Amino acid sequence: QKEVEQNSGPLSVPEGAIASLNCTYSDRGSQSFFWYRQYSGKSPELIMSIYSNGDKEDGRFTAQLNKASQYVSLLIRDSQPSDSATYLCAATLSGNTPLVFGKGTRLSVIA
Amino acid sequence: DAGVIQSPRHEVTEMGQEVTLRCKPISGHNSLFWYRQTMMRGLELLIYFNNNVPIDDSGMPEDRFSAKMPNASFSTLKIQPSEPRDSAVYFCASSLRQGRTDTQYFGPGTRLTVL
Repeated sequence: QKEVEQNSGPLSVPEGAIASLNCTYSDRGSQSFFWYRQYSGKSPELIMSIYSNGDKEDGRFTAQLNKASQYVSLLIRDSQPSDSATYLCAATLSGNTPLVFGKGTRLSVIA
Repeated sequence: DAGVIQSPRHEVTEMGQEVTLRCKPISGHNSLFWYRQTMMRGLELLIYFNNNVPIDDSGMPEDRFSAKMPNASFSTLKIQPSEPRDSAVYFCASSLRQGRTDTQYFGPGTRLTVL
């Protein structure tokens, strides 16, 4: 059974620091990986997707994928209090299977 | 552009009553997903449809839950009879599946409370 594991946190970082969120997955065949952000009382919203080994940067966000280690991470540079949310990692084997979500890591950025 | 639309946003009902949740996916999307989220279990996939056809309902907790998608622009999730343990936030999501791309867009959710 495919699983996606995340540390539930909370992860607390000071404003301006780098927040590092980590995720591991059990299915070596997983091909697509996503990071969603969910504010309290709101729905998940996509912030990054990554399909190939290495880094993918988008503004203050960098997603990192290491398929050999079955590891995905999200780095948030210059963390802001508005980044405080729960971050959900998700993986899919192929375009024909639905996403499997981790339970999320709660991030708190302290001003 | 309109995103995924869900109704109602909040539902409070008594144990034993029938509950119907509604979802309108993003126009042009060919896949629709129903999720349930609780603090204890996180985000759980209940059922998903491709081109209006149910593909996998193994996440539906029991026979009290049923889902339909009569056309590409509408889906319902029904709970009959409802129980207090069904209290959760129910999300509908849709996506346009092309190759390995399957970015899901979530609706605002329905917060269900069963007393």
